[in-house]
Amino acid sequence: DAGITQSPRHKVTETGTPVTLRCHQTENHRYMYWYRQDPGHGLRLIHYSYGVKDTDKGEVSDGYSVSRSKTEDFLLTLESATSSQTSVYFCATGASKVSDTQYFGPGTRLTVL
Amino acid sequence: QQQVKQSPQSLIVQKGGISIINCAYENTAFDYFPWYQQFPGKGPALLIAIRPDVSEKKEGRFTISFNKSAKQFSLHIMDSQPGDSATYFCAASGMGGFKTIFGAGTRLFVKA
Repeated sequence: DAGITQSPRHKVTETGTPVTLRCHQTENHRYMYWYRQDPGHGLRLIHYSYGVKDTDKGEVSDGYSVSRSKTEDFLLTLESATSSQTSVYFCATGASKVSDTQYFGPGTRLTVL
Repeated sequence: QQQVKQSPQSLIVQKGGISIINCAYENTAFDYFPWYQQFPGKGPALLIAIRPDVSEKKEGRFTISFNKSAKQFSLHIMDSQPGDSATYFCAASGMGGFKTIFGAGTRLFVKA
């Protein structure tokens, strides 16, 4: 898994509560990504980072924010969780620009009741 | 123009048979086409990838066929094995941006 860990691995929370998911990498990769995986939709990009404190939106960014204060950590925050954000969240890293392999973490299964 | 369309959604193949998964894209700026394999409870992992300057790439039992004019590419798994049972995602990306676009995935089941 290219030294990528995600925490927590499973979380159940209630609608309206804030949630933060953490991605930690030991590969010193510059690029980091957050995806959500839902049946029939594949992997959809939420936010990505191209360096410390450099982030940008993906295709499904509404309701999510990210922060990257160190190369190794990329945090995803759900400001006020909704049931539509129930999903499996994957973090990925990449050493170079987009035309290259992405390495995925093990995922976080989030359930919003 | 950013979509990658993948088919079929699911596939059942007999052991020893050939599994074929197809993808189509629209954006001609894409220049990297990877396939990822995902087992249940795990993150996706790169299986094989191709760039548009070649029409075919083979790694063991896995082959990507690429048709630039048709904007299509496919994954062929020869001599399919039960251990190949997984979800497969095609993807496309280009030098103009940081994003990789994924297909919706194909769930492959190889019957023993």
